[in-house]
Amino acid sequence: SQQGEEDPQALSIQEGENATMNCSYKTSINNLQWYRQNSGRGLVHLILIRSNEREKHSGRLRVTLDTSKKSSSLLITASRAADTASYFCATPPMDSSYKLIFGSGTRLLVRP
Amino acid sequence: DGGITQSPKYLFRKEGQNVTLSCEQNLNHDAMYWYRQDPGQGLRLIYYSQIVNDFQKGDIAEGYSVSREKKESFPLTVTSAQKNPTAFYLCASSMVGGAYEQYFGPGTRLTVT
Repeated sequence: SQQGEEDPQALSIQEGENATMNCSYKTSINNLQWYRQNSGRGLVHLILIRSNEREKHSGRLRVTLDTSKKSSSLLITASRAADTASYFCATPPMDSSYKLIFGSGTRLLVRP
Repeated sequence: DGGITQSPKYLFRKEGQNVTLSCEQNLNHDAMYWYRQDPGQGLRLIYYSQIVNDFQKGDIAEGYSVSREKKESFPLTVTSAQKNPTAFYLCASSMVGGAYEQYFGPGTRLTVT
């Protein structure tokens, strides 16, 4: 059962540019999380935004959440080649706050 | 040095053989999870456990089995009943009772021929 869907599926930008990825989900949520995965590795948690929050920052990351549109966006500012990775949004179903359902991800390529 | 480990990193098996993937964590987390990832895809939940000696099926449990005899360990067995077992398997752990992030191991790439 797919809850979150990322858009675009792939994104290629030049180093120094900003990268924006979007996530749409289907049902009501308590929180939404973003993860990063480098090729062939495990996922790393980036940021968690709760349903009563509209925006959250962490370093060069900015996440927004619009519960009325059931969507979230992840902005990476001043991108670096090391940001090249796949980015996933994940949401817990309402009946389980700790189980997560992951989207299919956005593959980001940052060209040096 | 806290973390979650998976072994081995690469695993090769012949069709028809069962294989067990290891997952160990020393984060003192109650919940543990197994996911499957196919090329270019997201993660799909196989099994999860929120307490020792208890586990639940995820979305794609058929052909897999797990055990949770210790808090630190959550091994996954890929049985011969799994029709398409070649994939990247990821183990994760988290606290329970709230909105907590999951911590992932480095993954095991299983190839069955």
